[in-house]
Amino acid sequence: DTGVSQDPRHKITKRGQNVTFRCDPISEHNRLYWYRQTLGQGPEFLTYFQNEAQLEKSRLLSDRFSAERPKGSFSTLEIQRTEQGDSAMYLCASSLNRNGYTFGSGTRLTVV
Amino acid sequence: QQQVKQSPQSLIVQKGGISIINCAYENTAFDYFPWYQQFPGKGPALLIAIRPDVSEKKEGRFTISFNKSAKQFSLHIMDSQPGDSATYFCAAHISNTGKLIFGQGTTLQVKP
Repeated sequence: DTGVSQDPRHKITKRGQNVTFRCDPISEHNRLYWYRQTLGQGPEFLTYFQNEAQLEKSRLLSDRFSAERPKGSFSTLEIQRTEQGDSAMYLCASSLNRNGYTFGSGTRLTVV
Repeated sequence: QQQVKQSPQSLIVQKGGISIINCAYENTAFDYFPWYQQFPGKGPALLIAIRPDVSEKKEGRFTISFNKSAKQFSLHIMDSQPGDSATYFCAAHISNTGKLIFGQGTTLQVKP
């Protein structure tokens, strides 16, 4: 296990389509996080899981966004009815307990 | 109150020089302060981190200085190298949550 894996690396979609991203965390990490990063900005927190429980969601996570971590291992982030404003890098991170996040390389979403 | 303010936005340093990036915060509930390095197309990578009960931490050429009373912390990169050219983010972790709050980032260019 060499790190946090995200798939796909790039996604181009038409406005109004649904997209789903996958994150595979470091296997022994019990916490998994999703962040969004727009160009020239720091990552912004979206949500996090401890094992399979989703413990916190940002107000940035509108009702078009949903995240799951069904068996406490990999996670998916789905965006329904994509908008141009959803274009960003979506980053996944994992950690063992509270500190020491390891980030993946992200999924770059472009909504056209 | 949950913001972390980072400066400067960009920094140009000659090879061998010292790079200094500063961050300030307001929320006294922050309990962990990491710095991340990000290269284009990659996710942020943890560089060094400090807890508020420590005033300084050094790892190789990287040093964090922490001033709890002023609510400020800074990253010093000694003997800066062209390979250090990247975007650097400070962050702060909120106690008892899974959330990291990131600064706006500093783009560092080290000239040969």
